[in-house]
Amino acid sequence: GAGVSQSPSNKVTEKGKDVELRCDPISGHTALYWYRQRLGQGLEFLIYFQGNSAPDKSGLPSDRFSAERTGESVSTLTIQRTQQEDSAVYLCASSLAGSLLLGNTIYFGEGSWLTVV
Amino acid sequence: GIQVEQSPPDLILQEGANSTLRCNFSDSVNNLQWFHQNPWGQLINLFYIPSGTKQNGRLSATTVATERYSLLYISSSQTTDSGVYFCAVSSSGQNFVFGPGTRLSVLP
Repeated sequence: GAGVSQSPSNKVTEKGKDVELRCDPISGHTALYWYRQRLGQGLEFLIYFQGNSAPDKSGLPSDRFSAERTGESVSTLTIQRTQQEDSAVYLCASSLAGSLLLGNTIYFGEGSWLTVV
Repeated sequence: GIQVEQSPPDLILQEGANSTLRCNFSDSVNNLQWFHQNPWGQLINLFYIPSGTKQNGRLSATTVATERYSLLYISSSQTTDSGVYFCAVSSSGQNFVFGPGTRLSVLP
């Protein structure tokens, strides 16, 4: 597609429920990133996928968070047993190649706004 | 891991004024990018600048890699420049680490 597409754009869920957030990267982009941004704060790295390599999961805050990516296409971020502290914007980004050493720009989607009540 | 600091945290300008935003990082980096997040939350890349100086219209950026800082200059600011400016660095060639951002408000 023309840009990084995320869905849903907004999600309100009850505490304890599971949610799935979807990211469709720019076609041809092999690298995909998930970030979390709490209200008024900076971006917090969650997970990074590059091609068929094992993902870098070092930013996932707890075992309630997981993410998958099918090949070099769509990714799904799943949050199980949601807590109020999970309320944030979840931003997905993609880049042309995994190595940022090449100066590849990362392009962000518009985010999925999650509110846990 | 690498630490990124940005200053000032908040900045209020009158339209037409100039400003300088600073990004300090704690270790050598291979990639540094500046982003603008508009009031609707959309993040837009402004510059890829691991070293040297670049200019794009009213914006320019300089990175002094040996001293581990980067500067973003905004000249003749406009209300549409309002938002949060983030510096992001990568030292591993993998993921970016973002600074906390500078929140800019340009008043008409």
